[in-house]
Amino acid sequence: DVKVTQSSRYLVKRTGEKVFLECVQDMDHENMFWYRQDPGLGLRLIYFSYDVKMKEKGDIPEGYSVSREKKERFSLILESASTNQTSMYLCASRGGSGGLPFFGQGTRLTVV
Amino acid sequence: RKEVEQDPGPFNVPEGATVAFNCTYSNSASQSFFWYRQDCRKEPKLLMSVYSSGNEDGRFTAQLNRASQYISLLIRDSKLSDSATYLCVVNMGTNAGKSTFGDGTTLTVKP
Repeated sequence: DVKVTQSSRYLVKRTGEKVFLECVQDMDHENMFWYRQDPGLGLRLIYFSYDVKMKEKGDIPEGYSVSREKKERFSLILESASTNQTSMYLCASRGGSGGLPFFGQGTRLTVV
Repeated sequence: RKEVEQDPGPFNVPEGATVAFNCTYSNSASQSFFWYRQDCRKEPKLLMSVYSSGNEDGRFTAQLNRASQYISLLIRDSKLSDSATYLCVVNMGTNAGKSTFGDGTTLTVKP
């Protein structure tokens, strides 16, 4: 079974803090994604990566950055957390062009 | 216009009803299609892939219409446990392409 693991299930951070969300997958997938999900707005793509050290902006990259130093790990970084970044963050990984995405369990981040 | 659009919902149906969801996509280069199910406060999980010829899995039937660029999901004999949000997913036709999700349609099956 594909396993996508996010480092935290729940996280509470203060405004202005630098926040790291980690995601690890064990299936040697090329593609990895970070989404945020908010009520009424659906899943929105923040960044994705199709190879080590490669990254592409998604639909809402502002306020975020990512790092993919190893194939199995894709990190999302909030440089200076703000209250409007309170959300559910979902990491996903996927094999080649026809592959289906597998999700981590999600991280519910609250910025106070 | 969004790349992937779903019926707005919510759908509230009685047990035993048949319900159908549609999802349209804008990019004709889209290659593969899926339906995911997401329960409250959980991550989305694969429900079924969608094949050109249409495919069935028990009470669930998925269809793809490439000419009109939409996919559909039909649920027959709805159960209370079918209550969830259903998301359609479209993969682009390149190895490095992204997966695009619809916003989801919420289904509530009532006794």
